Amino acid sequence: EAEVAQSPRYKITEKSQAVAFWCDPISGHATLYWYRQILGQGPELLVQFQDESVVDDSQLPKDRFSAERLKGVDSTLKIQPAELGDSAMYLCASSSTGVYEAFFGQGTRLTVV
Amino acid sequence: DQQVKQNSPSLSVQEGRISILNCDYTNSMFDYFLWYKKYPAEGPTFLISISSIKDKNEDGRFTVFLNKSAKHLSLHIVPSQPGDSAVYFCAASAEKLVFGKGTKLTVNP
Repeated sequence: EAEVAQSPRYKITEKSQAVAFWCDPISGHATLYWYRQILGQGPELLVQFQDESVVDDSQLPKDRFSAERLKGVDSTLKIQPAELGDSAMYLCASSSTGVYEAFFGQGTRLTVV
Repeated sequence: DQQVKQNSPSLSVQEGRISILNCDYTNSMFDYFLWYKKYPAEGPTFLISISSIKDKNEDGRFTVFLNKSAKHLSLHIVPSQPGDSAVYFCAASAEKLVFGKGTKLTVNP
């Protein structure tokens, strides 16, 4: 069964360090999303790609977060420098163009100490 | 300003009975609604969806009802099973998916 792959599953980093997450969407899915989920809250969209282009990054803290999807397939989300408040689950999802249902990966649990 | 609200943080039901999870929204531009199920330490799993032009969609034990005039939708699970115990997220889409905070469902054997 096709699935969204994310790595690493867990990451512990010290504040002020850089951290990166990787996502490989379901093959053929042109739309890729990065979400952040804080415990007790629902997922919040950070950035949405259509192929290699960013279509929505209005909630991405651009002073420290960056995301890229250079070849329109896999994607990387980076945080530099990490802050204590960045501790959360980072979820990647993908969908086919024009399809509302997004399929999520297992997420990366980030802990900043 | 929360556009999608799940006002019940938790719900407990007996196995075999009906589970009803509720969701309210404020944005009248939402045209598609989805329910996701999430187990601990895993990503959300798509469960069922409904377009704004419909008022009901059924898939096996799961039925979603949409009341556009009340800006309310609900997910019915019948009969409930212990394996249904999870956090359920309501989501709504206009240009992007907006999620509620989730309701933790516990189905007791």
